[in-house]
Amino acid sequence: GNSVTQMEGPVTLSEEAFLTINCTYTATGYPSLFWYVQYPGEGLQLLLKATKADDKGSNKGFEATYRKETTSFHLEKGSVQVSDSAVYFCALSDRVNTGFQKLVFGTGTRLLVSP
Amino acid sequence: EPEVTQTPSHQVTQMGQEVILRCVPISNHLYFYWYRQILGQKVEFLVSFYNNEISEKSEIFDDQFSVERPDGSNFTLKIRSTKLEDSAMYFCASTNSGGGYTFGSGTRLTVV
Repeated sequence: GNSVTQMEGPVTLSEEAFLTINCTYTATGYPSLFWYVQYPGEGLQLLLKATKADDKGSNKGFEATYRKETTSFHLEKGSVQVSDSAVYFCALSDRVNTGFQKLVFGTGTRLLVSP
Repeated sequence: EPEVTQTPSHQVTQMGQEVILRCVPISNHLYFYWYRQILGQKVEFLVSFYNNEISEKSEIFDDQFSVERPDGSNFTLKIRSTKLEDSAMYFCASTNSGGGYTFGSGTRLTVV
């Protein structure tokens, strides 16, 4: 079945450091790919998405490129802030039919940014 | 921006009791979902609901679980007889056809 693998955390960085969180996937067909963020005590928020190969999703300085050849969707940010501390989930949509989409999540990567 | 609203934000219940988690999806969305996240683990799909019936359910969603859309706005998840291992954060979500997910902020269920 479809699955998502992302790097173990926590990732600990100093403010303004470069961030990469690796994500690879296994899927049949052509899933859409997502990054969700969960701040402490809050729910899941969509950070960015890409719906086809070579698409780049970006938001709030984060970006990720849908790489079909390496089945990857790595999250990057050039300069992290303390406020970016959160858990980041990579996910793919397992589209069963034209309407219903089931999301398959990775295990999440906790990012801790220190001043 | 439209939101998915979940109540309560935190529920504590005794083992064996029934609980109902409530959600108000976005009004023009047609597909509704429940996911759960056991503390420190991945977010897992439970069930999807469309046109007043279950579209798909996971192996987690056994006979102890049920979902209902009792009126035009609410979408509920019922756990008939809670177990300790049902303790988790439960997220409701809704989508429109081809659209992205909107998640609620979750209900933390603690079974004691």
